[in-house]
Amino acid sequence: GNSVTQMEGPVTLSEEAFLTINCTYTATGYPSLFWYVQYPGEGLQLLLKATKADDKGSNKGFEATYRKETTSFHLEKGSVQVSDSAVYFCALSASNTGKLIFGQGTTLQVKP
Amino acid sequence: NAGVTQTPKFRILKIGQSMTLQCAQDMNHNYMYWYRQDPGMGLKLIYYSVGAGITDKGEVPNGYNVSRSTTEDFPLRLELAAPSQTSVYFCASSTDRELNSPLHFGNGTRLTVT
Repeated sequence: GNSVTQMEGPVTLSEEAFLTINCTYTATGYPSLFWYVQYPGEGLQLLLKATKADDKGSNKGFEATYRKETTSFHLEKGSVQVSDSAVYFCALSASNTGKLIFGQGTTLQVKP
Repeated sequence: NAGVTQTPKFRILKIGQSMTLQCAQDMNHNYMYWYRQDPGMGLKLIYYSVGAGITDKGEVPNGYNVSRSTTEDFPLRLELAAPSQTSVYFCASSTDRELNSPLHFGNGTRLTVT
């Protein structure tokens, strides 16, 4: 079946450090891939997405590239800020009903 | 813009009690979803709906029921609460007018069953 695996957290970084959060997936066919972010006390919100192989999604300085050969969609940011502290979820969609399958989430804490 | 509104924000239930978690959206979205979030487990889909009058099971539907009598509302019913249903519940919606449209989430309901 379809599944998403993320790197274990928490990830603790100093401000301006480089961020990578790994995400790999298992899916039949050609899923679309997403990163969602959850700030404390809130629901999830879309950060970026990619809908086909080699697409790069980007938003707010975050980037992720859809790599079909390695079934990966790693999230990167060149210089993190304290305000980026949140839980990040990788997800895939393999149906036309919008249903998402989520990874377990990775907590990022950025210290000043 | 209200978006997706969930009520209540918090609730404590005793084992065997029942309750309904309310969810309403004002974006005229046809697709709606209920997820539960457990620590270290990500989000698991409980039920979803592709339009008024249509519902279907997700990954973890046991112990829950839903209805979708209007486009706006998608309540989640727990009939006999169990400790295993202690979780944070999120309702979400999306449009069917474009492929891969983002899910819009409510702020969640934190439920404790003791």
